[in-house]
Amino acid sequence: EVQLVESGGGLVQPGGSLRLSCAVSEFTFSAYFMGWVRQAPGKGPEWVGRIKLKGDSYTTQHAASVKGRFLISRDDSTNSLFLQMNSLKAEDTAVYYCIRENWYRFDAWGQGTLVTVSS
Amino acid sequence: QSVLTQPPSASGTPGQRVTISCSGSSSNIGSNTVNWYQQLPGTAPTLLIYDNNQRPSGVPDRFSGSKSGTSASLAISGLQSEDEADYYCATWDDSLNGYVFGTGAKVAVL
Repeated sequence: EVQLVESGGGLVQPGGSLRLSCAVSEFTFSAYFMGWVRQAPGKGPEWVGRIKLKGDSYTTQHAASVKGRFLISRDDSTNSLFLQMNSLKAEDTAVYYCIRENWYRFDAWGQGTLVTVSS
Repeated sequence: QSVLTQPPSASGTPGQRVTISCSGSSSNIGSNTVNWYQQLPGTAPTLLIYDNNQRPSGVPDRFSGSKSGTSASLAISGLQSEDEADYYCATWDDSLNGYVFGTGAKVAVL
């Protein structure tokens, strides 16, 4: 069974940084685009960004709301996805989901990790 | 502010048919396929419909999707109590160069 497990969430002060990780198993990680989706309390999902494959030079794309502050990376040798979040704001408070992208559809999701930005 | 608009809610009695609309524009629905996600209370979203009208394995055929122009719709026939959930349409937006989700519709089984 495909598994995606996020970690690294928690409470952080405004302006602070946090790094989320996602460990995957039971599929060929290096063959898939991967990404992050977040969901603020009581709101709908919001796409954060994606990272392509080695053959695409690991190109990343990020939503305008996080561009310049967040950075997605991956390590195919350890089947891991990362989200480096800097200059965090209160509006970044959300559950962050690791997702597998399969031809523009998200066909596997992690259970999510909560990030709370508050003083 | 989402670029895909859905009605906030829909409801029906067990066995009825419910439809949820998703309105977009030429840069998103008008030029890309639409996916639908179901989010049961307290859980992560899951893929329900992809490529406008395709069901992943394990999704009952009570769920169906369609697309016309810059709008899409999800239909649930033979509504069951376990269908109570939030439903989101989603697609790629060529202008935003990113993936966009709909505003979401909460389905209630009366």
